[in-house]
Amino acid sequence: SQKIEQNSEALNIQEGKTATLTCNYTNYSPAYLQWYRQDPGRGPVFLLLIRENEKEKRKERLKVTFDTTLKQSLFHITASQPADSATYLCALQTGANNLFFGTGTRLTVIP
Amino acid sequence: GAVVSQHPSRVICKSGTSVKIECRSLDFQATTMFWYRQFPKQSLMLMATSNEGSKATYEQGVEKDKFLINHASLTLSTLTVTSAHPEDSSFYICSARDPASGGVGDTQYFGPGTRLTVL
Repeated sequence: SQKIEQNSEALNIQEGKTATLTCNYTNYSPAYLQWYRQDPGRGPVFLLLIRENEKEKRKERLKVTFDTTLKQSLFHITASQPADSATYLCALQTGANNLFFGTGTRLTVIP
Repeated sequence: GAVVSQHPSRVICKSGTSVKIECRSLDFQATTMFWYRQFPKQSLMLMATSNEGSKATYEQGVEKDKFLINHASLTLSTLTVTSAHPEDSSFYICSARDPASGGVGDTQYFGPGTRLTVL
């Protein structure tokens, strides 16, 4: 069966450290993988997209890696801040309209 | 970035009534919009794809007669939950694809969501 698993439901990290979130998938062949941020009671906000033929993508303090052999993506937030506290969702895109979401990891950055 | 709005943000209704949720793309035209549902601590699940000027495409297990979708213009899609029941209580989120994003992947812009509570 198809699965998208994000490493843990919740992750606590000290301010200033690097947060690393994991997204593993099975029985998908995504053309793209995306990461979103979702705050409580709000819709997801797009952060980064990485193509299947890309290994790494960066945007300011964010870095995403994509390993199609391992079927895994890692999402890093460097120099984390309390304002980074939110739920982070990975989403696989397999076709024009097909976007499949993981259940998310709730990140808390402790001052 | 592109902005998508939803209205209302929160609605409480009695069982058996119908509720309409609006989704608007504010600064771009969206030929395709998407409706998702999210239960607590669960992932967003795609319900249907709304295409301007044609019928919506529903995902397996989603009743098209219960969740009516109308995409009447390039900036507006509506979802009507008919004869709502308590099990329909959920967080409904729409998204729209901005064609001007250059076709890179499928960058969808999400609305803020609508919390539906059916008593």
